[in-house]
Amino acid sequence: QVQLQESGPGLVKPSQTLSLTCSVSGASIGRGGYYWGWIRQHPEKGLEWIGYIYYTGETFYNPSLKSRITISKDTSKNQLSLRLNSVTAADTAVYYCARAEVGHSSPVDSWGQGTLVTVSS
Amino acid sequence: DIQMTQSPSSLSASVGDRVTVTCRASQNVADFVNWFQQKPGEAPKLLIYAATNLHSGVPSRFSGGGSGAHFTLTISSLQTEDFATYYCQQTYSNPPTFGQGTRVEMK
Repeated sequence: QVQLQESGPGLVKPSQTLSLTCSVSGASIGRGGYYWGWIRQHPEKGLEWIGYIYYTGETFYNPSLKSRITISKDTSKNQLSLRLNSVTAADTAVYYCARAEVGHSSPVDSWGQGTLVTVSS
Repeated sequence: DIQMTQSPSSLSASVGDRVTVTCRASQNVADFVNWFQQKPGEAPKLLIYAATNLHSGVPSRFSGGGSGAHFTLTISSLQTEDFATYYCQQTYSNPPTFGQGTRVEMK
């Protein structure tokens, strides 16, 4: 059974860079068949898709965030990472690591527990 | 971006009730719609994929319907553990977008 675990600072200052890591167990991010990525949820609000990375290294980003985000992977550690530059209070959210099945409708079938990141000085 | 609009935003129901949540897309998304359940303090869980397909391990009282721009999630007989918030998601075009959620509360 795949497990995803997010880690990173819970507090980031405005204008700085948010960096999160997702450690994956029970599956290899170096194999095809799944996208690996990030989804966030603003407090008391809905869900926002951030982006995915495929085992080939190809990335897919939300156009609204594309200029500020980088999703990368370290296959040797079975980890993926998220970097979000120039953060503001609007980036305060619970950030989820996620796995989505490649194919029709690409459903997210596995989620991390989520980590709250607050942007504040 | 494609807008996904859920209705109602919240509903009150009793154990045993049949419950239906509706999701409308701002344009045709074929059957590229998934449904998730989220309980407070937890990550969402996949219920239905590709509009009508039950995810492995999900009870058969959950079902999905629709295509094009109109979709439904139905719980045939509501159970205690089903009180939660439900989200639809379209993956027809980038970026994938979610509905705002429907909270199912105990009457």
